[in-house]
Amino acid sequence: GIQVEQSPPDLILQEGANSTLRCNFSDSVNNLQWFHQNPWGQLINLFYIPSGTKQNGRLSATTVATERYSLLYISSSQTTDSGVYFCRYMEYGNKLVFGAGTILRVKS
Amino acid sequence: KAGVTQTPRYLIKTRGQQVTLSCSPISGHRSVSWYQQTPGQGLQFLFEYFSETQRNKGNFPGRFSGRQFSNSRSEMNVSTLELGDSALYLCASSTALQGAGADTQYFGPGTRLTVL
Repeated sequence: GIQVEQSPPDLILQEGANSTLRCNFSDSVNNLQWFHQNPWGQLINLFYIPSGTKQNGRLSATTVATERYSLLYISSSQTTDSGVYFCRYMEYGNKLVFGAGTILRVKS
Repeated sequence: KAGVTQTPRYLIKTRGQQVTLSCSPISGHRSVSWYQQTPGQGLQFLFEYFSETQRNKGNFPGRFSGRQFSNSRSEMNVSTLELGDSALYLCASSTALQGAGADTQYFGPGTRLTVL
């Protein structure tokens, strides 16, 4: 199957800092999405971003499908941004696969 | 609009037993997906149901099964529980208008299963 690498695995930021999270894929993927899981376990859809760039407030995402990567930008981070960020894609057979996640801690 | 609800929230079982978890989707959502989350394996896709039919399936053994009712509520069952089945089980619902993987999914709070 397709391999995905999320980086960095762990990130600690001071409130107000910016960050870039990345997913690299070993092959072309479909239906790429980004998710955030808060410290209490609640998962939330952030972006459906098979290609191009989208922005929602302080968050934006870019997928360059031809180069097999996707980026999630967080600007002016807040403590509520803490949690785990996952990318997810669909591979052959309509199987949904999650990356291992990036653990983000934002300190006040 | 009420969100996705899962019951029970916590469950303790012993090896060899079976368990049934329930998920009530957001009203109007016809697709329900199930996921398992463990520290070792991360988030893994179990299966997706749409209009009472299993539409997609992950790589889990046959001990894991599910079903969906006509009101879109879904249950998943795990038979002959093993220690490794201890996990957070999440369900998510969506309208499924854009197809699996492309939809915006709304997740429930999860059921934390502990197998002793």
